Amino acid sequence: KNQVEQSPQSLIILEGKNCTLQCNYTVSPFSNLRWYKQDTGRGPVSLTIMTFSENTKSNGRYTATLDADTKQSSLHITASQLSDSASYICVVMVGPNNGAKEGGGFKTIFGAGTRLFVKA
Amino acid sequence: DAGVTQSPTHLIKTRGQQVTLRCSPKSGHDTVSWYQQALGQGPQFIFQYYEEEERQRGNFPDRFSGHQFPNYSSELNVNALLLGDSALYLCASSLEGRSGYTFGSGTRLTVV
Repeated sequence: KNQVEQSPQSLIILEGKNCTLQCNYTVSPFSNLRWYKQDTGRGPVSLTIMTFSENTKSNGRYTATLDADTKQSSLHITASQLSDSASYICVVMVGPNNGAKEGGGFKTIFGAGTRLFVKA
Repeated sequence: DAGVTQSPTHLIKTRGQQVTLRCSPKSGHDTVSWYQQALGQGPQFIFQYYEEEERQRGNFPDRFSGHQFPNYSSELNVNALLLGDSALYLCASSLEGRSGYTFGSGTRLTVV
């Protein structure tokens, strides 16, 4: 069964501190993994995308890692800011499945997200 | 370059009523997917439309239906609303054969 699990469920840190969010997945076949930031009541916005061959990807203060062997990914936030308070969602793209009924041969599996609170 | 546009942004309905949500995909995208996101949860896939047909469906009852128009825009219809249908409804567009999605800001539906 395709699954994406994230931890912790929620996290509170002080402004300026670093933090790391975890994502474990069980999917097949793996296509790519994305980290999204979702502000309350808004749609998710993509932060990083990594394919099977990529180990790390940075986007400003956000650095994502991927270990395809252990099927784990992490999102590291450096020098947190108040505006980093949001939900961070790990999304794994499964596919393509040749000849499958699924649209475009791809399926998206969402994690439940980690709710990050950055306090002054 | 316009991103994904959803309307309305907020909506309050009474149990048993019907609702229609709208989505305009990002320019150049031809596939629209709909998701339901309950408070504190990740988005749950409802269905996907391509070439004006429902191509893929998640575990949602028939009360949830949709439509895609020739200009690739899409509607999500929910009949006989239940309190549990209260959620943020997200629309995401993509290009056939490509794995990237662009999300809209969502429609917040409250059923009272």
